[in-house]
Amino acid sequence: DAEITQSPRHKITETGRQVTLACHQTWNHNNMFWYRQDLGHGLRLIHYSYGVQDTNKGEVSDGYSVSRSNTEDLPLTLESAASSQTSVYFCASSEGGQGNTQYFGPGTRLTVL
Amino acid sequence: DAKTTQPPSMDCAEGRAANLPCNHSTISGNEYVYWYRQIHSQGPQYIIHGLKNNETNEMASLIITEDRKSSTLILPHATLRDTAVYYCIVRVAYGNKLVFGAGTILRVKS
Repeated sequence: DAEITQSPRHKITETGRQVTLACHQTWNHNNMFWYRQDLGHGLRLIHYSYGVQDTNKGEVSDGYSVSRSNTEDLPLTLESAASSQTSVYFCASSEGGQGNTQYFGPGTRLTVL
Repeated sequence: DAKTTQPPSMDCAEGRAANLPCNHSTISGNEYVYWYRQIHSQGPQYIIHGLKNNETNEMASLIITEDRKSSTLILPHATLRDTAVYYCIVRVAYGNKLVFGAGTILRVKS
């Protein structure tokens, strides 16, 4: 069955290190999204992509970057991890078009010490 | 995207119907009503969406009022596994993001 996966599921890192979170979907969806979820803030959009070579900033993009070299993957990179980036990260994808239902991955819990 | 208002929490007896309300009084004609839920520590799960007409799928039914200013998500026979936070979201077609509010915590009790 088609699915969306994230890895790793849990990650502990130190301040200042570069970290990359993987997101892979097998639905052949054009659109992919990264959100973070924190207590008191709900889910907030970090970056999104409408297709290969396309990337766009969301509402909380500072300190994060993404690249889209193929349809299936949208890795999220924290260039220099900060304690404020401790959060749960969710990747989502959608086919695009009218309706545009997004389907979410299981999440990655990141702790920055 | 229009703002939504949901009660912070609700309780439901196992086996009974759970009716979760949502107000979206500023909804525009081209905006859809989406429902997602999030079970503890999992990613949000899509439930159902609709524009004007009532919708039903294997998970739930969505009732949208004629003026589209409010809607109700119905879980016909709630189980303990339906305990989750339920989010009502209004967005345009082709919209690029979902804006999650605080949602409703539904507790299904035996």
